[in-house]
Amino acid sequence: QSALTQPASVSGSPGQSITISCAGTSSDVGYYNYVSWYQQHPGKAPKLMIYDVTNRPSGVSDRFSGSKSGSTASLTISGLRAEDEADYYCCSYTSSSTLVFGGGTQLTVL
Amino acid sequence: EVQLVESGGGLIQPGGSLRLSCAASGFAVSTFYMNWVRQAPGKGLEWVSVIYTGGRTIYADSAKGRFTISRDNSKNTLYLQMNSLRAEDTAVYYCAGGGYGDRYFDYWGQGTLVTVSS
Repeated sequence: QSALTQPASVSGSPGQSITISCAGTSSDVGYYNYVSWYQQHPGKAPKLMIYDVTNRPSGVSDRFSGSKSGSTASLTISGLRAEDEADYYCCSYTSSSTLVFGGGTQLTVL
Repeated sequence: EVQLVESGGGLIQPGGSLRLSCAASGFAVSTFYMNWVRQAPGKGLEWVSVIYTGGRTIYADSAKGRFTISRDNSKNTLYLQMNSLRAEDTAVYYCAGGGYGDRYFDYWGQGTLVTVSS
């Protein structure tokens, strides 16, 4: 199972919006609406930010939103803040009942 | 409050074996889909294995035939038995899961570092 494809890095200024893409195949991202996104700060465990493509867990800011078109999912962060600077990973359920992560995207808030 | 605490990591020689533990509190480990996810130093996340509430187990290709996921309901603990360890298994190993842990992870432990080196 190959990793999902994410850009290595994205950046934005405070207050701006950014979007991170997550490209997969018809066997994973395009298979079910079971894409999740995780935020990871250095030295910390990942934190669930989005599940089932568009849903936010309780306590996650509504500045974070998810979407999907075909075999590509996206995470959008609006109103960027310094504390959003972190690594972001997408993850998808696959047709083999396994899970696969993206390679990760480093977000820099300028 | 849900809490997951991993232990059992350390330095092990190539070809050796290690068993990781993940002690759960705040919920019954048998009621959640529980996973192991690893992260090599400076690298991204890699899913390793899942155990379903019903006991079914699934593995990534990198773990198949070498790793075994299990749980002890009486101890409320998840395990990962790792055999025939290789240098490329060096990583922080996280346990993670939730009510829908077969497709996303609500809860994560703090991780335990496994270093495979001679």
